[in-house]
Amino acid sequence: EAGVAQSPRYKIIEKRQSVAFWCNPISGHATLYWYQQILGQGPKLLIQFQNNGVVDDSQLPKDRFSAERLKGVDSTLKIQPAKLEDSAVYLCASSQQGSGNTIYFGEGSWLTVV
Amino acid sequence: QKEVEQDPGPLSVPEGAIVSLNCTYSNSAFQYFMWYRQYSRKGPELLMYTYSSGNKEDGRFTAQVDKSSKYISLFIRDSQPSDSATYLCAQEAAGNKLTFGGGTRVLVKP
Repeated sequence: EAGVAQSPRYKIIEKRQSVAFWCNPISGHATLYWYQQILGQGPKLLIQFQNNGVVDDSQLPKDRFSAERLKGVDSTLKIQPAKLEDSAVYLCASSQQGSGNTIYFGEGSWLTVV
Repeated sequence: QKEVEQDPGPLSVPEGAIVSLNCTYSNSAFQYFMWYRQYSRKGPELLMYTYSSGNKEDGRFTAQVDKSSKYISLFIRDSQPSDSATYLCAQEAAGNKLTFGGGTRVLVKP
């Protein structure tokens, strides 16, 4: 079974530039998550989708971050304009619908803002 | 107070030793707990999950939950160099949302 795919793996941008990350979840998984993991910290949930609808985006900095999952499969996370403190790993994850289902993570997209 | 807390380490042990990892949590409303392992430059992978109190064993790994003290533990027996990684504890809230601790880095020396 193919895992959660993410791209690009690594990105370096200057502050105030924009960046976009793409995620393809495990086939059949209705729930998709974006987590932010700052170096030395645990992952923090940014946004959760159920199919193509947003379930929770309470921790998404909406002035600069946006995410979409238009057809209920792939998802894109965008940051514009980037700040230095956005340097982190952006982890996409997916699971089957409902509580108690295992959440599978991708390998992450590493962002450095200089 | 953070909802889930763990010592960042690093925790260094010789090969074959028992690794003992701990987390504390503050919200008693949710009783699903997970341990994830994260290798350098990789995503977290689920090791074990437990519900409510008690022990769960899977090979060399044992997870414990102590509701009275709001403490969750992971023990790794006969540790191997391949167990060197960061271990993340997590609490699952409603809707399959995970709150992670900060992670403990473990180094098993040959």
